[in-house]
Amino acid sequence: DAMVIQNPRYQVTQFGKPVTLSCSQTLNHNVMYWYQQKSSQAPKLLFHYYDKDFNNEADTPDNFQSRRPNTSFCFLDIRSPGLGDAAMYLCATSRPPGSASVTFGSGTRLTVV
Amino acid sequence: AQSVTQLGSHVSVSEGALVLLRCNYSSSVPPYLFWYVQYPNQGLQLLLKYTTGATLVKGINGFEAEFKKSETSFHLTKPSAHMSDAAEYFCAVSESNTGKLIFGQGTTLQVKP
Repeated sequence: DAMVIQNPRYQVTQFGKPVTLSCSQTLNHNVMYWYQQKSSQAPKLLFHYYDKDFNNEADTPDNFQSRRPNTSFCFLDIRSPGLGDAAMYLCATSRPPGSASVTFGSGTRLTVV
Repeated sequence: AQSVTQLGSHVSVSEGALVLLRCNYSSSVPPYLFWYVQYPNQGLQLLLKYTTGATLVKGINGFEAEFKKSETSFHLTKPSAHMSDAAEYFCAVSESNTGKLIFGQGTTLQVKP
């Protein structure tokens, strides 16, 4: 089945140690999104790619970076994780903007110790 | 700017009772509207969506929602709650030019036996 896959499901990292979360998709969608969801809160968009065009949300901290080497893969890099970065990170994909078809992965739960 | 308000952060119903989760939106353009469900430590699963056409939308697991433009509402209903419906529910509106989803704060549905 076509889907969005996030690895790992659970990630524990040390305070200040760089960490990378990965997302892959078999849907061949043009757009890939990264959302951050803190405990008991709504998902909040960090950034998205439309093909290779990167779009950063205005309030996304500089500590968060992203890479999209090809259509299928997208990575979220946290350069120096703080305790406040502990959250569920959700990857999603869609066809071009304006499409009402957004598919989410199962998420990666990040713990910072 | 678009926004979503979910009335009631917690809703409790008895098994077999009607489920009603409220969502109001603000949008200056015709919106795309969505309801997602999230189980603990899982990603978001689409329940249903409204784009254009029929204002009563049927989704998975017996849920449905009605788009009421005059009330700027998109409330989610299910005639008879099941224990497996206990989860977090998010209403969302899509920015048509970016595909970005803007979520409400979520409603936790508790189903009592």
